This record gives sequence, C-alpha cells and structure tokens, in this order.
Amino acid sequence: SQTIHQWPATLVQPVGSPLSLECTVEGTSNPNLYWYRQAAGRGLQLLFYSIGIDQISSEVPQNLSASRPQDRQFILSSKKLLLSDSGFYLCAWSVRRGLSPLHFGNGTRLTVT
Amino acid sequence: DAKTTQPNSMESNEEEPVHLPCNHSTISGTDYIHWYRQLPSQGPEYVIHGLTSNVNNRMASLAIAEDRKSSTLILHRATLRDAAVYYCILRPANAGGTSYGKLTFGQGTILTVHP
Repeated sequence: SQTIHQWPATLVQPVGSPLSLECTVEGTSNPNLYWYRQAAGRGLQLLFYSIGIDQISSEVPQNLSASRPQDRQFILSSKKLLLSDSGFYLCAWSVRRGLSPLHFGNGTRLTVT
Repeated sequence: DAKTTQPNSMESNEEEPVHLPCNHSTISGTDYIHWYRQLPSQGPEYVIHGLTSNVNNRMASLAIAEDRKSSTLILHRATLRDAAVYYCILRPANAGGTSYGKLTFGQGTILTVHP
C-alpha cells in the first residue's frame, strides 16, 4: 500500500531563518506531488506541484521554493522565513492518470516567530 | 474555476443521517464533483466524487441534482469520528496533465456531531 510521510510535524523558526520540509511517498512510482498551505481558519492554497523529477510549477509568487531531487521526494524550502510563512503545510500525491484522488500527509505546523 | 458554496457549519446527532449541501451553479459539463474532509490537525481525506449519477461508497453517498447545479453529501449514520470540515470541490476533467490535481479548496462546512 502507498504511504506518505511528512516531517517534522511541528516547527518553530525565527524570522529570517531557512526552512526545509521534506515529504516522501512509498509504494508508488511516478506520482504527481503537491505542496499546499493552510493559514489559520482558511482553506488550502496550492503552492507547488510536480509531475516528475526537476519538473515543478509554482502556483503563487512567494518566499518559498520546491525541489524534487528523486521521484518520490518533494522538498519545500525557504532561504529566509517571514512571519507570513506561518501555517499548516501539507504534502500530497496522486497517480498520474485522470481523476485519481489526492492523498495528503499529516502536515507540518510551522510557526515563524 | 467554477465556485462552490457551502454552509459554514452544520450540526448533527450521533447515529443520525447528515446531509451536507453544496451549490455549484456555474459548473461546466466536464466538471466532476469531489468531496474531501479534514479532521482536526490532519490532512484532507478523499471521500467521494461523481459526475452526473448518484454515487455510493463505504464512507458516504453523493446525490447530484439533475441540472448538476447542486449536490449533497450524505453520511448515513454520523459518528463522533465524522466531525470534520467537509469540502465540496469542482475538478475539471478535460484539463491536461497536472491540472487534474489542482484542487481548489473553499472554506468548507464544519460538521459538529453531538453524542
């Protein structure tokens, strides 16, 4: 069966510090991968999606970047965090074909102080 | 993208059926209706999806209006574990490649289940 792992579960970082969140998927090959963010009391916003290694598209301009160094690994990064980067970050995967559902990880709650 | 409208919150009693409505008056002919739910401090979970016909699975049923401008997610017997935010999302079927994954989440409906 397929599983998705995100870590860490919670993170407190000072403004201006770097960020690296990791997500890995097991049990499937060539998945589509996604990073979403959920601000407090709001819906989920798609940040990045990827259809393959080093193939990443950004949905919104921001202080963040994403990389996919391996087929089942997706990394969200920032060089210098802003207060507005605080939120609940969720990684998700889906199979390539059609209308397959998205499967989400348990998320990372980031607080920038 | 076509929008959906859901009530901010609903309440139910345990063991009773729950009908969660969703309006999508600007839905296009190729939009699928997807439902996800999000339990507290967890990622969203896929519930069900459909195009025109009513759909059933082990989690819920989806009733789609004949004109497709609205739909209803039905939980047949609510349990305390069904307390979550329920999202109704339109997902285009004719978009290529990764557009399939671009789920646009609204505010959803907060479902409270009372024991």
